[in-house]
Amino acid sequence: EVQLLESGGGLVQPGGSLRLSCAASGFSFGNYAMSWVRQAPGKGLEWVSTISGGGDGIYYADSVKGRFTISRDNSKNTLYLQVNSLRAEDTAIYYCAKEEVVVRYFDKWGQGTLVTVSS
Amino acid sequence: DIVVTQSPDSLAVSLGERAAINCKSSQSILYSSNNKNYLAWYQQKPGQPPKLLISWASTRESGVPDRFSGSGSATDFTLTISSLQAEDVAVYYCQQYYGTPPTFGQGTKVEIK
Repeated sequence: EVQLLESGGGLVQPGGSLRLSCAASGFSFGNYAMSWVRQAPGKGLEWVSTISGGGDGIYYADSVKGRFTISRDNSKNTLYLQVNSLRAEDTAIYYCAKEEVVVRYFDKWGQGTLVTVSS
Repeated sequence: DIVVTQSPDSLAVSLGERAAINCKSSQSILYSSNNKNYLAWYQQKPGQPPKLLISWASTRESGVPDRFSGSGSATDFTLTISSLQAEDVAVYYCQQYYGTPPTFGQGTKVEIK
């Protein structure tokens, strides 16, 4: 069974940083691209970033480019998102999501980790 | 970016009745080389992450009840729940994966009338 477990969220001041993690199990992690998708409180879904299975293909939403960094450690079956220069509008639940092979839809999702940016 | 717009924003349907949610993309998401529509549907229940229901506009995921069906092509798509059950109360999202970035509709809230 595929399992994705996010951690690392919390309350942070504007301008602060966090490192989000997503521990994966139940599938060949290194064979799949992985993404982060966020959801602001009471709002819809917004794709944030994607990293290919080997880590050589990386994509970001314009809203986070230059501030967020996605990475992965296939030896640890773990996905990361380093979030820097946080703004109030980054407040959201951050979901780790597994992509289907080659195409960018999300067949498995974690439970999410909440990032709150507030002074 | 491809803009995806859902309608209505919410709907209330009686138990056992049909519910239909529309999704319109700002450009065609039908890839001519494979004749596939790059559209997915998700269900999100309160306090839970989204769950993939349908990919390729009409292919149900394993385990998804057959009362859920997807249809449409190019720019106009529909998710239909043929006979609404209490457990179907949720917000439903469509998502295009034809272009980068992948983009979601704003969501449609389905409630019981």
